[in-house]
Order: sequence, then C-alpha cells, then structure tokens
Amino acid sequence: SQTIHQWPATLVQPVGSPLSLECTVEGTSNPNLYWYRQAAGRGLQLLFYSVGIGQISSEVPQNLSASRPQDRQFILSSKKLLLSDSGFYLCACSVDPSPLHFGNGTRLTVT
Amino acid sequence: GENVEQHPSTLSVQEGDSAVIKCTYSDSASNYFPWYKQELGKRPQLIIDIRSNVGEKKDQRIAVTLNKTAKHFSLHITETQPEDSAVYFCAASFGSNYQLIWGAGTKLIIKP
Repeated sequence: SQTIHQWPATLVQPVGSPLSLECTVEGTSNPNLYWYRQAAGRGLQLLFYSVGIGQISSEVPQNLSASRPQDRQFILSSKKLLLSDSGFYLCACSVDPSPLHFGNGTRLTVT
Repeated sequence: GENVEQHPSTLSVQEGDSAVIKCTYSDSASNYFPWYKQELGKRPQLIIDIRSNVGEKKDQRIAVTLNKTAKHFSLHITETQPEDSAVYFCAASFGSNYQLIWGAGTKLIIKP
C-alpha cells in the first residue's frame, strides 16, 4: 500500500508571504493526487487534483496553485498568503478503484 | 449540482449504545460510498466503504447500509466505545475518487 509523506506538520506564515507545501508518495506508481483544505471545525474542500505529471485540475478559484513535477510529487503553492488561507492542508492519493488515503496534513496558520 | 447531506451534525450517545449517521445523495448515478473517521487534529481515515451493487457491509462493530431507491446510506456503530469519539464524514461518487462529493461531517461524542 502507498505511503504519503507530507511536510511540514505545522507552519506559521505572515500575510503576504509565499507558501510551498510538498507531498510525496511511495509504494505506487501513476497515482491520482489531491490537495484538500479543511478550515477549523469544518468539512473537506477539494482544492486540486492531478491524474498525471503536469495535469492539474482546480476545483476552487483562489490564490493557490498546484504543480506535479514528478509522478509521485505534488506541490501546493501561493505567491502571497491571505488570512483566509489558514487551515489544515491534506494531501491525498488514490489508485482507482482503490479508496482515497490522506497524508498526515499540514496545519497552516497565517498571521 | 451533486450534493451529499449528512445528519446529524452532532450525535451524543452513551458508551455501549449504538450510533447511526445518515447521508443522502442527489446523483442517482453515484455508485461508491466511503466513510471516513477523523480524530481531533489528525487525518481522515477510511473505516468502511460500499459500492452500489451491495446493500450492506459489516466490519466488526461497524456497518454501512445503502438504499439506492431512496438515495441514502447510513453508518451504524454498535457497542460504542470512547475511542469512537471523532468526526465522521460520508462521501459519494459516481466515478473516480476525484469526483467524491463530501458530507459536512458528524461529530460523535461518546459519553462515559
């Protein structure tokens, strides 16, 4: 089964600063990769998903972007963070038709 | 568009009693229904899933039932224990995991 590495676990960034969160997957090839965000006490919001290298689909318009430079690497970025970007960011992986599995997440606080 | 409604938003049960969480979905083409458990501060983890060709699935104290006609599915937890306290999310999909539509979550509280 696949292992999802996500870092850092926690991050505190000032408003207007850039962001880069990285996710790598082991134990599988050609996975579907996802970035989810969860605001405090709220549900799961799909931000981006990717079915292959360089293929990114955006679900929510915002100041975030995603890239997939390698088969098992997925990066979430922002040029300038907003206060509303605070939340719990979860990378997820699936190899259809197997279920979706989440990484341990990054808790981002924008101050 | 597609929608999944989850009820209740909060459920408090006595330890040892059963808990039931229900989700309804709008897209009749949905054919995959997973349930995830999220403990405080941790990632959601899959606890059970069901596909539309099955009406019920059990795994020890956990079961999921699916009513395709009524377009709803439910999570049943029997003999609840303190470690069952968490937020539970349902989801529905008619295709791949990137087409999952999520419920808003149910906070389950197990009272000692």
